[in-house]
Amino acid sequence: GQQVMQIPQYQHVQEGEDFTTYCNSSTTLSNIQWYKQRPGGHPVFLIQLVKSGEVKKQKRLTFQFGEAKKNSSLHITATQTTDVGTYFCAGQSGAGSYQLTFGKGTKLSVIP
Amino acid sequence: DADVTQTPRNRITKTGKRIMLECSQTKGHDRMYWYRQDPGLGLRLIYYSFDVKDINKGEISDGYSVSRQAQAKFSLSLESAIPNQTALYFCATSGMPEYNEQFFGPGTRLTVL
Repeated sequence: GQQVMQIPQYQHVQEGEDFTTYCNSSTTLSNIQWYKQRPGGHPVFLIQLVKSGEVKKQKRLTFQFGEAKKNSSLHITATQTTDVGTYFCAGQSGAGSYQLTFGKGTKLSVIP
Repeated sequence: DADVTQTPRNRITKTGKRIMLECSQTKGHDRMYWYRQDPGLGLRLIYYSFDVKDINKGEISDGYSVSRQAQAKFSLSLESAIPNQTALYFCATSGMPEYNEQFFGPGTRLTVL
């Protein structure tokens, strides 16, 4: 079945440093979503990418979807303590398939 | 009030007991999901339902069953709980098929002794 690999598993950064997490799917995706889970909380949707090569920005967050629609990345510029949490990518493999396959997540710690 | 609610929020039970986790939503969504989260393993899909008459197994359905009592309610049962079912369980909903953003409930932390 479809697998979504996400690296790194953990990342510790100094406040103000940049952070990137990467996702790789074993199959071509119809779209990829990103979620953030704060400590003790539930996953919250951040964004969905659909088009090959798509780049979207949300303030300090930049999301990319690869040309082959098999990989994606989330980049945070100048991290803040409010960025702490676990970031998950989730891939959807085909139109009409509503299942999301989640990566294992990257847990971000920000040292003030 | 929260759009997706789960009860109970925490539960401790013993091996062999039957447990039901409940999920309710006020978002009017047709699609509902049950996930399990274990440290370092991300979210794994247990069951999903596209409407009241449609139930589908996910990646890890063994040892679990579900019931979709109404559009707004989706329950997860563990017929005979075992310790390796100790985990954090999330219910989620989604609406439009072309934009599959999922909305998660607050989670139920289940411990099986």
